Amino acid sequence: EAQVTQNPRYLITVTGKKLTVTCSQNMNHEYMSWYRQDPGLGLRQIYYSMNVEVTDKGDVPEGYKVSRKEKRNFPLILESPSPNQTSLYFCASSFLGTSGPNNEQFFGPGTRLTVL
Amino acid sequence: AQSVTQLDSQVPVFEEAPVELRCNYSSSVSVYLFWYVQYPNQGLQLLLKYLSGSTLVESINGFEAEFNKSQTSFHLRKPSVHISDTAEYFCAVHFSGNTGKLIFGQGTTLQVKP
Repeated sequence: EAQVTQNPRYLITVTGKKLTVTCSQNMNHEYMSWYRQDPGLGLRQIYYSMNVEVTDKGDVPEGYKVSRKEKRNFPLILESPSPNQTSLYFCASSFLGTSGPNNEQFFGPGTRLTVL
Repeated sequence: AQSVTQLDSQVPVFEEAPVELRCNYSSSVSVYLFWYVQYPNQGLQLLLKYLSGSTLVESINGFEAEFNKSQTSFHLRKPSVHISDTAEYFCAVHFSGNTGKLIFGQGTTLQVKP
């Protein structure tokens, strides 16, 4: 089954404790992206990747890191989480068009993170 | 800065009534336009998209959206809604020259009442 998986689905942690949220897709997509969803703010892009070893900042990259060592995986790293990073996080992937992300993005089920 | 605005945070409507969810974006550069739907406790799914060509695009479940370049809008419409259309709807825009960035609106919650 074609899908985007995220782990964990739920996480409660404390300020400053490093964590990683994994994202994996099995559709051979070039493009992968991380978003956070907050009430009243919609989805905001954190980082995206156009291919292996190619990553770039979205609109809200502060406090986050990513890596793209393999095509299928795109982990999101919070080196020192803070309470303002409490949010619902989505990973997404798609094929990449000739002029950018013009194809349907497939979203993972989401990771609900609470930082105390 | 480039931005996407969904003017209505909530739209209550009775079943079988028509609905329009509004989306405006900030720039007149070339764009790709998308509407995504999020059902409760789920991820997002693509509803429809505009890349080029006909300015009116349709989805398989009766929604349609019209690209209006002069008004920089991409409003979503359905002539007759069902209870099952209750969800949150997001407009998203890729602005030309933004490489891989995709900007989402704030979302509109469509509440269909019996």
